[in-house]
Amino acid sequence: QKEVEQNSGPLSVPEGAIASLNCTYSDRGSQSFFWYRQYSGKSPELIMFIYSNGDKEDGRFTAQLNKASQYVSLLIRDSQPSDSATYLCAVPPMNRDDKIIFGKGTRLHILP
Amino acid sequence: ETGVTQSPTHLIKTRGQQVTLRCSSQSGHNTVSWYQQALGQGPQFIFQYYREEENGRGNFPPRFSGLQFPNYSSELNVNALELDDSALYLCASSNRDREILVNTEAFFGQGTRLTVV
Repeated sequence: QKEVEQNSGPLSVPEGAIASLNCTYSDRGSQSFFWYRQYSGKSPELIMFIYSNGDKEDGRFTAQLNKASQYVSLLIRDSQPSDSATYLCAVPPMNRDDKIIFGKGTRLHILP
Repeated sequence: ETGVTQSPTHLIKTRGQQVTLRCSSQSGHNTVSWYQQALGQGPQFIFQYYREEENGRGNFPPRFSGLQFPNYSSELNVNALELDDSALYLCASSNRDREILVNTEAFFGQGTRLTVV
């Protein structure tokens, strides 16, 4: 059974600082990962996809994947109050019959 | 806007009643997945339909059922509602015909907030 673990938070970060969100996963065969952002009462929105070891940067967001340690992280630089949300780490489906497996999410609060 | 719409957006039902939630998939997508998200939890997989056939089911009782129509829209039915069924119900559509599935993005609808009293 694949599992994705996240600290539920809340994680409080001052505006302008770097927010660091972490995720570990149980299945060593997992090859890629999603990061979703979910505002309160809204549906998840995909913000990052990573499948290679190392870093992937997109604007203020950087995803980091370490397959040896089974560890995925999301860094948000220059944090803004609009970044306050729950961030879900997820494993994409591996085949047609597979499903997305989500972690419980980390609540991030950016302090103005 | 993802092109995935769910209806209704909010619903209040009484314990023991039945409910039907609806989801229209994005154009060109053939797969609809349903998730239940309780407050403070991540989305939990209910089931999935690919080209009108159920091709995956999570750990939910048989009173959760669904179907997918020829236009790939989908319904989720819940019978004998219980208080614990109160949650945000999400549907996501995707195209599972793509050769490389590893980065198949699923687009979520806005969700249906179900409250059982």
